[in-house]
Order: sequence, then structure tokens, then C-alpha cells
Amino acid sequence: SQKIEQNSEALNIQEGKTATLTCNYTNYSPAYLQWYRQDPGRGPVFLLLIRENEKEKRKERLKVTFDTTLKQSLFHITASQPADSATYLCALEAGRRALTFGSGTRLQVQP
Amino acid sequence: DAGVIQSPRHEVTEMGQEVTLRCKPISGHNSLFWYRQTMMRGLELLIYFNNNVPIDDSGMPEDRFSAKMPNASFSTLKIQPSEPRDSAVYFCASGSDGGSFETQYFGPGTRLLVL
Repeated sequence: SQKIEQNSEALNIQEGKTATLTCNYTNYSPAYLQWYRQDPGRGPVFLLLIRENEKEKRKERLKVTFDTTLKQSLFHITASQPADSATYLCALEAGRRALTFGSGTRLQVQP
Repeated sequence: DAGVIQSPRHEVTEMGQEVTLRCKPISGHNSLFWYRQTMMRGLELLIYFNNNVPIDDSGMPEDRFSAKMPNASFSTLKIQPSEPRDSAVYFCASGSDGGSFETQYFGPGTRLLVL
């Protein structure tokens, strides 16, 4: 069966460090993968999209990698700040021209 | 741009009552998505529309759920009759396909509690 896995345990890091979040998937062949940020009581907000033929994508302090052989995406936040604390969701284009979301990983950046 | 607008923001109802959730997508977007989010199941796609036409409703849990999009600026998700297990946050999102469904813009959600 198709599955998207994100670490359900919260990730706690110190301010200034690099946060790395993982998204693994099985039985998908997505044309692209996206990362969203969700704050409590709010809807998800789009951050980055990476296509299947791209290895890496950057936006300011954010970096996403996409390994279609390993079926894995890594999401990095460099020089993390307390304001980066949120839940981060990965989402795959799932062949229905819509998105399937992972359950998300909660990031807590300690000052 | 006001973003995706959803109403009501909160809804408390009793089991068996009809619930109608409303969504106004971003002007110019031609795709609209309804999602449901719970702690147990995460964010699940219920149904999506493209150019006001339902494309995939395979995520709609059962016949108690129905969705309509009578025009490009309005959509409803109706639950009749509602049950306690329908309690969740319901999100509407819109996007512009431009050849493929890419970035989606989410509304603030409707928090539904069925007693």
C-alpha cells in the first residue's frame, strides 16, 4: 500500500543549529514533492516544491533534497530560529493530480 | 488578496444535525480541494474540483458527505446527518493548475465538533 512516513516524534533543537526533517514514501512515483508549514490553529502554508528530476532546491535558509531511488526527501532549516517552530508536512503528487500529505513532524527550536 | 475564506470558523452541533461548511477560493484559481485533519489520520483529501467539476471524490468517507461547487467563487461541503466521528478541522484549499496541480493555498479551516 502507499505510505508517506514522517517522524512523528517532535524534533527539539537549539537556536542556530540546522534542523533536518525526513520524509520517506513507498509505492509512489511522484512527479514532485512539496513541503508545507503548519502553525497551531492555522492551515498549511506552502514552502518549497521539488520535481522528480531535481536533486536539491533552496530558498533562503531552507533546503530540500529529493532522492527518488531512496524514495526520500530531506528538509533542512539552517540557522534555525524559535520562529521556525511549527509542524512541517511533506506532500506528494499522488497520481490523481492532487496531493497526499504525510502526518507531519513538529519542530521546536529552543532559544 | 484575501486568501481562501472559510466559514464558519467554528461549529458545534449535535449528532444527527446537518452541517454546511463554506469556502471561497482565491480569485482566478481553478482548482479547489476539501481536506479533513484529525490527530489520528492527519490531513486527508476528501474531494477536489477543477473548473467547478468534481474530479476525484474517492476520499469522501460515505454518503453522508456531499460537496458542490456551483461557480468558480464558492463551494460547500455538507454533512447530513453528522456524527461524533466527523469532528475534525476541515480545510479548503485552492490552486491554479497551469498544466499540473502544484502549490495549494489553504484557508484557516473550520473546526467542527459534533456532540
